[in-house]
Amino acid sequence: DAGVIQSPRHEVTEMGQEVTLRCKPISGHNSLFWYRQTMMRGLELLIYFNNNVPIDDSGMPEDRFSAKMPNASFSTLKIQPSEPRDSAVYFCASTLLSGGVYNEQFFGPGTRLTVL
Amino acid sequence: AQKITQTQPGMFVQEKEAVTLDCTYDTSDPSYGLFWYKQPSSGEMIFLIYQGSYDQQNATEGRYSLNFQKARKSANLVISASQLGDSAMYFCAMSLNQAGTALIFGKGTTLSVSS
Repeated sequence: DAGVIQSPRHEVTEMGQEVTLRCKPISGHNSLFWYRQTMMRGLELLIYFNNNVPIDDSGMPEDRFSAKMPNASFSTLKIQPSEPRDSAVYFCASTLLSGGVYNEQFFGPGTRLTVL
Repeated sequence: AQKITQTQPGMFVQEKEAVTLDCTYDTSDPSYGLFWYKQPSSGEMIFLIYQGSYDQQNATEGRYSLNFQKARKSANLVISASQLGDSAMYFCAMSLNQAGTALIFGKGTTLSVSS
């Protein structure tokens, strides 16, 4: 099992540029989550999908952020235009939600984004 | 609003000793799940243990146990026989039903284990 795959692992960009973060969840999982980790705010949920449908995007900071899940094996988080305050580690996680039975969220290795 | 509080920014323990990391939570939902994750310096998030709000017994996973006190709304992590490899950041988290939807995280506790 390859686990949750994120790319790139590191991204350095300049303010105003578009940034796209990618995530491949574990095969068979039906829920995908994007989290952001910063020193100031800790770990916070940005958005999550269930069966490719966005369920809760209340954590998305502003219109500059958008996320898509075109199919069960791929999701993107896009920031356009990027700002220095977007610098953080972005985690993708996935799990299988089935009939109320608990399932662990598996996290990817994260993408460390630096916006200059 | 739902909230997770970890009041210990840092904890220090010697090898082979037990350590308790504190976590309190706040929710009015009767159905919730509580999680502990470990984040070593390499940055990955490693799942340790889970407790459901309706579980009657405290969860245990190897050297990890969760001291669940529902009336006090606390879910402390106990690590027995600490090892050097336990040095890491530890996060307590809550999901708003036992099926494990999105997680709300505490600020974390840094554990340092010395020889």
